[in-house]
Amino acid sequence: DAGVIQSPRHEVTEMGQEVTLRCKPISGHNSLFWYRQTMMRGLELLIYFNNNVPIDDSGMPEDRFSAKMPNASFSTLKIQPSEPRDSAVYFCASSGGAYNSPLHFGNGTRLTVT
Amino acid sequence: SQKIEQNSEALNIQEGKTATLTCNYTNYSPAYLQWYRQDPGRGPVFLLLIRENEKEKRKERLKVTFDTTLKQSLFHITASQPADSATYLCALVNQAGTALIFGKGTTLSVSS
Repeated sequence: DAGVIQSPRHEVTEMGQEVTLRCKPISGHNSLFWYRQTMMRGLELLIYFNNNVPIDDSGMPEDRFSAKMPNASFSTLKIQPSEPRDSAVYFCASSGGAYNSPLHFGNGTRLTVT
Repeated sequence: SQKIEQNSEALNIQEGKTATLTCNYTNYSPAYLQWYRQDPGRGPVFLLLIRENEKEKRKERLKVTFDTTLKQSLFHITASQPADSATYLCALVNQAGTALIFGKGTTLSVSS
């Protein structure tokens, strides 16, 4: 079991640039979540998918953020244009089975926008 | 809106002692609550789940309680070890029952 795989692990970009974060969930898991973690705000839920369909994107901070899940094994989170306040660690997590199944997190992408 | 509060200050204890971490929540009655461990540079890892009709759950040296009247969960690590040093996060299912909302976590440091 390879676990949830995120790429890249680190991303440094300049303000205004487009950033794409990638996630491969655990095979067979039908729910996928994107979270953002900062010291000030902790772990915030951005969006989640069930069976590749976005269920709730109310946590997405602005229209600059978008997420897709074209198939069961891949999801992207895009920020365009990026701003310094977007700097954070972005986590992807997946779960399968019952609604109270534990989340399996990737090791995150540390994004720095200068 | 839902609010989850964990001790923001780090908890420092000596090896062998019991560590007790607190998670309080308001404006909501979750059907269940989960606890996760997070090490630096890594994603959170699931530890325990407790349902609203369960008062207590145990797993090896870990014990979780869930008091729906006080709106509080306590997380205990008995016979603590330096390897238990990490940040511990509590998480509640949202009102729709479809996603987890996390507290900011409490950092535990166990010294030998």
